[in-house]
Amino acid sequence: GENVEQHPSTLSVQEGDSAVIKCTYSDSASNYFPWYKQELGKRPQLIIDIRSNVGEKKDQRIAVTLNKTAKHFSLHITETQPEDSAVYFCAAANPGYSTLTFGKGTMLLVSP
Amino acid sequence: SQTIHQWPATLVQPVGSPLSLECTVEGTSNPNLYWYRQAAGRGLQLLFYSVGIGQISSEVPQNLSASRPQDRQFILSSKKLLLSDSGFYLCAWTPGQGNTEAFFGQGTRLTVV
Repeated sequence: GENVEQHPSTLSVQEGDSAVIKCTYSDSASNYFPWYKQELGKRPQLIIDIRSNVGEKKDQRIAVTLNKTAKHFSLHITETQPEDSAVYFCAAANPGYSTLTFGKGTMLLVSP
Repeated sequence: SQTIHQWPATLVQPVGSPLSLECTVEGTSNPNLYWYRQAAGRGLQLLFYSVGIGQISSEVPQNLSASRPQDRQFILSSKKLLLSDSGFYLCAWTPGQGNTEAFFGQGTRLTVV
């Protein structure tokens, strides 16, 4: 089955800095890579996703890059704000399975 | 539009008591349904998933069970809770495939005392 590794487990940045979270996956058949944000005590919510037919996707201050050859993908947050503080999860899925495989999460702390 | 309902939001149960958490999805048919658990506010551990009525796949052997009596209803149960069952339980659904966006319920904070 799929295995997703996520780093770092904790990331502290100053407001305005950029933050990068990296994930690797093991199954070359995986073709869908979402990122979820979970605020304290709340449900995870999708913030951006990418499919294997593109290498990069942007949405305002958030971007995701995918390197299929190396089997890794990254989340980039620019101009971080205190409200970006949350736990971020990456995930991978392929059409042969019925489940997303999640990374263990990164706690992002943005200090004012 | 599709919505997912999960209840209760919080629950405090004594060790050895039974458990029943319910999740329903509206506005779609034949969804894939999932139960996840989060301990200590971090990783999402997949407990069960279902691709159809009566079809349950278990990812982690433990004293929990799941059932899908109707197309859009998913129930998580236990006959006797353990202290280690405490955590944040999340129901989720995807539109019939695993490689699409998952939508999560609000979660149930279970504390076993």
